[in-house]
Amino acid sequence: EVQLVESGGGLVQPGGSLRLSCAASGFTFSSYAMHWVRQAPGKGLEYVSAISSNGGSTYYANSVKGRFTISRDNSKNTLYLQMGSLRAEDMAVYYCARASGIYDYWGQGTLVTVSS
Amino acid sequence: DIQMTQSPSTLSASVGDRVTITCRASQSISSWLAWYQQKPGKAPKLLIYKASSLESGVPSRFSGSGSGTEFTLTISSLQPDDFATYYCQQYNSYFIFTFGPGTKVDIK
Repeated sequence: EVQLVESGGGLVQPGGSLRLSCAASGFTFSSYAMHWVRQAPGKGLEYVSAISSNGGSTYYANSVKGRFTISRDNSKNTLYLQMGSLRAEDMAVYYCARASGIYDYWGQGTLVTVSS
Repeated sequence: DIQMTQSPSTLSASVGDRVTITCRASQSISSWLAWYQQKPGKAPKLLIYKASSLESGVPSRFSGSGSGTEFTLTISSLQPDDFATYYCQQYNSYFIFTFGPGTKVDIK
């Protein structure tokens, strides 16, 4: 059974940093691109970042470029999102998703709250 | 970047109604379009991919159509479990996917 489990969310002050993790199981992690998608409270879904299956290529939404870094450790079946210079508008539930064009599997999400 | 729009933003309907949601892309995306259903507090669930292919396990009352820039999601007979928010998503752009703003289907 495919499972994606996010962790690392929490309360952080504006300007602070946080690292999210997504532990994958039930599939060959190293064969799939992985994405982060977020959803601000009461809002729609927003693509955040993507990484190729071998980690060699990374992509970012303009809204997070230069502040967030996506990475993966295929030996640990884990995806990461290092978030820095956090702003109020980054507050959201962050989902990791397996990507084969479509998002066929999603995690349950982890909430990031940015507040002083 | 490819922009996605959806209409309507909210739709009030009754059980048994036929419901249609429209999604438009700012440029041609061929058939690289997916539809997701999301319920409050839950992750989105894939319903349709490649514009008209039904994901395994999804009821046949859901169908998708369209290509290029205009797409539709149809629920042939709305069921109580279908009250949710629906999002379209393009995956024509390499690695940078975008979602529509969502359509909330609520009870009339």
